[in-house]
Amino acid sequence: EAGVAQSPRYKIIEKRQSVAFWCNPISGHATLYWYQQILGQGPKLLIQFQNNGVVDDSQLPKDRFSAERLKGVDSTLKIQPAKLEDSAVYLCASSQGLGRSGELFFGEGSRLTVL
Amino acid sequence: AQSVTQLGSHVSVSEGALVLLRCNYSSSVPPYLFWYVQYPNQGLQLLLKYTSAATLVKGINGFEAEFKKSETSFHLTKPSAHMSDAAEYFCAVLQGAQKLVFGQGTRLTINP
Repeated sequence: EAGVAQSPRYKIIEKRQSVAFWCNPISGHATLYWYQQILGQGPKLLIQFQNNGVVDDSQLPKDRFSAERLKGVDSTLKIQPAKLEDSAVYLCASSQGLGRSGELFFGEGSRLTVL
Repeated sequence: AQSVTQLGSHVSVSEGALVLLRCNYSSSVPPYLFWYVQYPNQGLQLLLKYTSAATLVKGINGFEAEFKKSETSFHLTKPSAHMSDAAEYFCAVLQGAQKLVFGQGTRLTINP
């Protein structure tokens, strides 16, 4: 079974530029998450989708971050314009749906460096 | 809201020694608790989970954790460390409908 796919793995941009990350979840997984992991910290949830609807985006900086999940499958996270403090690893995860299994399947992440 | 605190951002043990990684939780309701592991340049992987059944939970790679309500703790242990255990470990709590909230992480180093 294929895992969660993310691209690009690495991206370096200058501040005020824009960047987009792509995620393809495990087939059949209804729930998709984007987490931000700053160096030395635990992952922080940015946005959670159930199919193509947003369940939680309370910690998404909506003035610069946006995310969509068209057709309830893959998803794109965009940052525009980027700030220095956006340097982090952006992790995508998916799960089979609502429930208490707690098992999220993570991709390898997209590492963003903002200069 | 539920949260977890990991004590010690970095733990170093000798190969073959006991591994103990500490996690304390804060929750007004019975919590669902998890340990995840992150190897270098990889995503997170579930080690084990507590979902209000047995208080002693066994996970992959010889790890286990014990839920202690009186101490609000869910510490992760392994009797004998192996070099391959070097990684970052995250404690997490389930908040609401399948939203995982992670601790700050503990980096485990194994000395030969």
